[in-house]
Amino acid sequence: AQKITQTQPGMFVQEKEAVTLDCTYDTSDQSYGLFWYKQPSSGEMIFLIYQGSYDEQNATEGRYSLNFQKARKSANLVISASQLGDSAMYFCAMREGAVTGGGNKLTFGTGTQLKVEL
Amino acid sequence: DADVTQTPRNRITKTGKRIMLECSQTKGHDRMYWYRQDPGLGLRLIYYSFDVKDINKGEISDGYSVSRQAQAKFSLSLESAIPNQTALYFCATSAQGSSPLHFGNGTRLTVT
Repeated sequence: AQKITQTQPGMFVQEKEAVTLDCTYDTSDQSYGLFWYKQPSSGEMIFLIYQGSYDEQNATEGRYSLNFQKARKSANLVISASQLGDSAMYFCAMREGAVTGGGNKLTFGTGTQLKVEL
Repeated sequence: DADVTQTPRNRITKTGKRIMLECSQTKGHDRMYWYRQDPGLGLRLIYYSFDVKDINKGEISDGYSVSRQAQAKFSLSLESAIPNQTALYFCATSAQGSSPLHFGNGTRLTVT
C-alpha cells in the first residue's frame, strides 16, 4: 500500500481563490510527522509546512495551512488567496516513527501540479 | 550562497560509466540524504547518513553507493550507470528533531 497518496495529479485554481491539495497517509506508528514541499518549474524543493501527529492545532504558515484529520489519516494543504507564483508541483511527505529513532527520513507522495490562472 | 550545494548541476554520461555526484553543506547538520525524482513517482530515498560513521540504505539503493567524507560532504556514486538511472537527484540535510529536510538544487543526470 502507498504510504502517501496524492490523488490529484493536476489542479487549476483562479487567482485569489483558495485551493485544497489532498494528501492521505498510511502508518501504524503513533508518532509521525507530515510535511508539504513546493517544487516550482525551476526544480528546487521548498519546505512549506509541518504537522506533528501529536500537535492538537492545525499548522499554519502565512497563506498555507494544513487541515489535519488524524482519524481519517489526511493532511490536506490549503492555500488561501492563490497567486500566480503558487503555480508549481506540491509534494506531501511523511516521517514515520519518533524523531529520535528514525531521523527525518521522508516518504513522498507523487505530487500535485497546481496551475493558478488569471 | 546555497546552504546545500550539489555538483554538477547537469551531467550526461554513457551506459557503463562510473560517475559521482557530490553534495556539500554549510548548515552544520549531521543528517544527510540522497533522493532521486522520477516523473510521476515523487522522490525516493537512496541512502542516508546520520553522522560521519553512519550509512544506511534507503528504498532504492541497488546500483548506488555513497561516501560520507566529512560532516559536510556526502557523495553518491553510480558504479556502472544504466539508462534507468536517468533522473533528477537531490541531496538534503536535516537537523535533529522534527526539522524539515533542506534540499540542494538537484543534479539532472542523463544516462545514454
